[in-house]
Amino acid sequence: AQSVAQPEDQVNVAEGNPLTVKCTYSVSGNPYLFWYVQYPNRGLQFLLKYITGDNLVKGSYGFEAEFNKSQTSFHLKKPSALVSDSALYFCAVRDRSGGATNKLIFGTGTLLAVQP
Amino acid sequence: EAGVTQFPSHSVIEKGQTVTLRCDPISGHDNLYWYRRVMGKEIKFLLHFVKESKQDESGMPNNRFLAERTGGTYSTLKVQPAELEDSGVYFCASSQLGANTGELFFGEGSRLTVL
Repeated sequence: AQSVAQPEDQVNVAEGNPLTVKCTYSVSGNPYLFWYVQYPNRGLQFLLKYITGDNLVKGSYGFEAEFNKSQTSFHLKKPSALVSDSALYFCAVRDRSGGATNKLIFGTGTLLAVQP
Repeated sequence: EAGVTQFPSHSVIEKGQTVTLRCDPISGHDNLYWYRRVMGKEIKFLLHFVKESKQDESGMPNNRFLAERTGGTYSTLKVQPAELEDSGVYFCASSQLGANTGELFFGEGSRLTVL
């Protein structure tokens, strides 16, 4: 079965410090991986995706993620955190197990809290 | 261009009542998805429409949930009768047909509270 794990319910980081939000996955075949962010009282917003090619993917708001096939991980990173980055972050993998449904399988989410 | 819109943003009902959630996808998006997040859990897939046809409804919890997309435009998700465990945030998402590697565009969600 395909699944996504986000081992941390919450990540705390001081403004200006680097941040990492962890994600590991279990899929059959080559994965299509995504990160979404949910700001308070807002919908899910797409941040970045890995489909193929370079293992380091750059996305919106200065975020990037590194695809590591051997560790089956897709950790989200940012060199210098901002208070405005505080939000709920979801890792997702596209379900390629059958059909053309293109549905996403999400992790449980990680709350990022950036302290000033 | 308008994004995915959902209505209502929040609904509070009593157990046994009926609620209907509505989703208007981005214009021209034939794919429409419903997801649900129960407090603290992952966002779970409910079903997928391609135009007016149900492509995959494997995530629908039980027959108290009914989704429709008449005419292939907006969609409704009805819960009847609602139970306590139906509480959560219901998200709608849309994408263009054939965008197999593309992202989904999500609405702000409809929060359902069943008392």
